[in-house]
Amino acid sequence: GDQVEQSPSALSLHEGTGSALRCNFTTTMRAVQWFRKNSRGSLINLFYLASGTKENGRLKSAFDSKERYSTLHIRDAQLEDSGTYFCAAASSGSWQLIFGSGTQLTVMP
Amino acid sequence: NAGVIQTPRHKVTGKGQEATLWCEPISGHSAVFWYRQTIVQGLEFLTYFRNQAPIDDSGMPKERFSAQMPNQSHSTLKIQSTQPQDSAVYLCASSLGRRGNQAPLFGEGTRLSVL
Repeated sequence: GDQVEQSPSALSLHEGTGSALRCNFTTTMRAVQWFRKNSRGSLINLFYLASGTKENGRLKSAFDSKERYSTLHIRDAQLEDSGTYFCAAASSGSWQLIFGSGTQLTVMP
Repeated sequence: NAGVIQTPRHKVTGKGQEATLWCEPISGHSAVFWYRQTIVQGLEFLTYFRNQAPIDDSGMPKERFSAQMPNQSHSTLKIQSTQPQDSAVYLCASSLGRRGNQAPLFGEGTRLSVL
């Protein structure tokens, strides 16, 4: 079965509001990474976490290996935040990244 | 389907030598990505080809690194005058393209060690 379950698959936000994306893991992961697919199709790294939380501007991510989940919080959403967001995780003893299925975020005026 | 094939699996070079890494994407995939993975930085985007054309090389170090995709069946990443800080696992990935939520499929990587 899928080791990384990402939700929601699609999310619509009005400008200025916020929400959270979540990835649940079926096994213990040693690290998680969040990406955003840019307009050219490249996956751009947002966060890389082995534990705890990280914050960058209006984005904040958390990773709890023991509870087997990670979240990506977006606050004060802007139109340019629209795009597809992926989480990916590496299980213990492996560097292979297992991707979630992605979240299509649409920010509306 | 063998998946994304990367060769060699391991490469050891001396400082100042050149290293060429090879990637064979999944047949039919039009998008090819190169990433570098280190323990400290995690996965870093390097460059991206679509239909063999370079689309985005914003992650490539300006000096010593170059990537090509001469045909749809393979791509190369070349590092000239390798330095110890180039040591990393270099990952190639391919996907059907940029439409939808297609996540790229990764090869097993080439572990580069610069002594």
